[in-house]
Amino acid sequence: DAGVIQSPRHEVTEMGQEVTLRCKLISGHNSLFWYRQTMMRGLELLIYFNNNVPIDDSGMPEDRFSAKMPNASFSTLKIQPSEPRDSAVYFCASSKGPGTGIPYEQYFGPGTRLTVT
Amino acid sequence: EDQVTQSPEALRLQEGESSSLNCSYTVSGLRGLFWYRQDPGKGPEFLFTLYSAGEEKEKERLKATLTKKESFLHITAPKPEDSATYLCAVLLLSDYKLSFGAGTTVTVRA
Repeated sequence: DAGVIQSPRHEVTEMGQEVTLRCKLISGHNSLFWYRQTMMRGLELLIYFNNNVPIDDSGMPEDRFSAKMPNASFSTLKIQPSEPRDSAVYFCASSKGPGTGIPYEQYFGPGTRLTVT
Repeated sequence: EDQVTQSPEALRLQEGESSSLNCSYTVSGLRGLFWYRQDPGKGPEFLFTLYSAGEEKEKERLKATLTKKESFLHITAPKPEDSATYLCAVLLLSDYKLSFGAGTTVTVRA
């Protein structure tokens, strides 16, 4: 089975430009998580969707960041306008659930390395 | 405040030299503790979930254990291909979000 798919794998853009990152969930999964990873802060959760509905976006840094799930298998994370401090690796992860009882595993995509100059 | 702390930050091992990584947590109500492996330039790869104190899980040269305050990832007779960053994360009873530790970077020399 295909894992989580992310595109692009690398993105270099200039400050002020719009950036769109894409993610395809694993078939049968209904939860989606967007993370950002930096050396200084490690892995940070940005936003969580369940059944296409945003449940928690408290980790989104500011209004420049937005995320959508137009359907059950696909999500986008948009940064507009981008700034150099947004440079990081962005991961999406998918899982089944949340169910009750047994905790579920999150499966991560390969990430998008974003560089904003 | 709930916290996840991993130690050491980095571990350099000779091939065949067994060792352990520590993940300590101060949370109120643990639903599960997860171990992931991350190779450079890749996403974290799921290894284990531990649900309750006393539980152990094994996969090849890796064994994860859980107590009420911490988890250990034991690497037995490591090989160079075990070199990676190992991340632990906790999931609370009242939550859906994984809280990750900073990771332990393991380097195994041939």
